[in-house]
Amino acid sequence: GAVVSQHPSWVICKSGTSVKIECRSLDFQATTMFWYRQFPKQSLMLMATSNEGSKATYEQGVEKDKFLINHASLTLSTLTVTSAHPEDSSFYICSASQRLAGRYEQYFGPGTRLTVT
Amino acid sequence: LAKTTQPISMDSYEGQEVNITCSHNNIATNDYITWYQQFPSQGPRFIIQGYKTKVTNEVASLFIPADRKSSTLSLPRVSLSDTAVYYCLVGDTGGRRALTFGSGTRLQVQP
Repeated sequence: GAVVSQHPSWVICKSGTSVKIECRSLDFQATTMFWYRQFPKQSLMLMATSNEGSKATYEQGVEKDKFLINHASLTLSTLTVTSAHPEDSSFYICSASQRLAGRYEQYFGPGTRLTVT
Repeated sequence: LAKTTQPISMDSYEGQEVNITCSHNNIATNDYITWYQQFPSQGPRFIIQGYKTKVTNEVASLFIPADRKSSTLSLPRVSLSDTAVYYCLVGDTGGRRALTFGSGTRLQVQP
């Protein structure tokens, strides 16, 4: 099946610094990628939809200036957490859509654990 | 997207069959039903998807009644490694839009 990777798998940063997380579709092209955030013992919450070649669409309550999303190519989307604070510590997961037999299937990356100290 | 309701948690023992039922009363005509599995600190993994009646693959079966207002994920002979959170999602064409995750069902398999 299709594979989505994320890098890094975990990162620790100091408060006030910025962190970039990469999401790649390894064996297919994805015009649309999604970014989710998951806090411990909770479900996934959609943060934004990333479209190749255009601006991302953010969910209500997600600060677009804090969570910068760039979808520079059909296989890469990046999420940059700017001026990170401890409350940004979370598990960030991306997914990518692939069209198969007239339908779309969504594949998830392994996630990135961000800890802000 | 149609809202789903599933049990918060379930317990089972190795070798048993586990059935997790999901309610989706407001499912739309073109919505598919998809189940994902998630282990701690990992991304969700696709298990099975269906539209109506029964779908079976190498890991699970999905039963969907005629009115499609609910669905049941059946895991045959579970093992300890099936301990995970299982999410039921409904949506159109599966992946063109972001998926809305409910609370999921935390399955704990005991030896």
